[in-house]
Amino acid sequence: DAGITQSPRHKVTETGTPVTLRCHQTENHRYMYWYRQDPGHGLRLIHYSYGVKDTDKGEVSDGYSVSRSKTEDFLLTLESATSSQTSVYFCAIRDDRGGEKLFFGSGTQLSVL
Amino acid sequence: QQQVKQSPQSLIVQKGGIPIINCAYENTAFDYFPWYQQFPGKGPALLIAIRPDVSEKKEGRFTISFNKSAKQFSLHIMDSQPGDSATYFCAANFMGTYKYIFGTGTRLKVLA
Repeated sequence: DAGITQSPRHKVTETGTPVTLRCHQTENHRYMYWYRQDPGHGLRLIHYSYGVKDTDKGEVSDGYSVSRSKTEDFLLTLESATSSQTSVYFCAIRDDRGGEKLFFGSGTQLSVL
Repeated sequence: QQQVKQSPQSLIVQKGGIPIINCAYENTAFDYFPWYQQFPGKGPALLIAIRPDVSEKKEGRFTISFNKSAKQFSLHIMDSQPGDSATYFCAANFMGTYKYIFGTGTRLKVLA
């Protein structure tokens, strides 16, 4: 699993509250990603990072912000959660050791009521 | 456009059949095309990948066919087994970046 840990695994929150999801890796890979998975939409890239403090937007970045102050941690924040952000969120890392393999975490099921 | 279109949405085949999943893209800046397999409750895992300088790649029972002029690529699963039942995603990466865009997924069920 390339040492990826997502937390929390499940979260239920209310509309309008802030939410932060954490992705932690133990192998110092440079690239980290946040995707959301929804029926009919597949996996959609929210934000990705190519180094400490270096991030870029993906396909569906509105309503989300990210931060990466350390190589091992990539945080996804929903500043004011909405019901449309109910989803399964996956963190991924790109294997720096050759090839272009993405390793995914186990996902976070987020429900916004 | 950063879109990768995948079809069908779902697929049911008998054991031993050859399911085929298709993807099409528009942006010619894509230069790497992986397929990922996802089992329920798990994150996706890389299955096989291809670059546009080859037309076919095989790894075990899995084959990617790539048609650069048509901007299409497909996954074939030979001698499919019930254990292949999963959701399959095609993806594409922009040349010079590591920004991976995924298709909408195909839910495959292989009947015993």
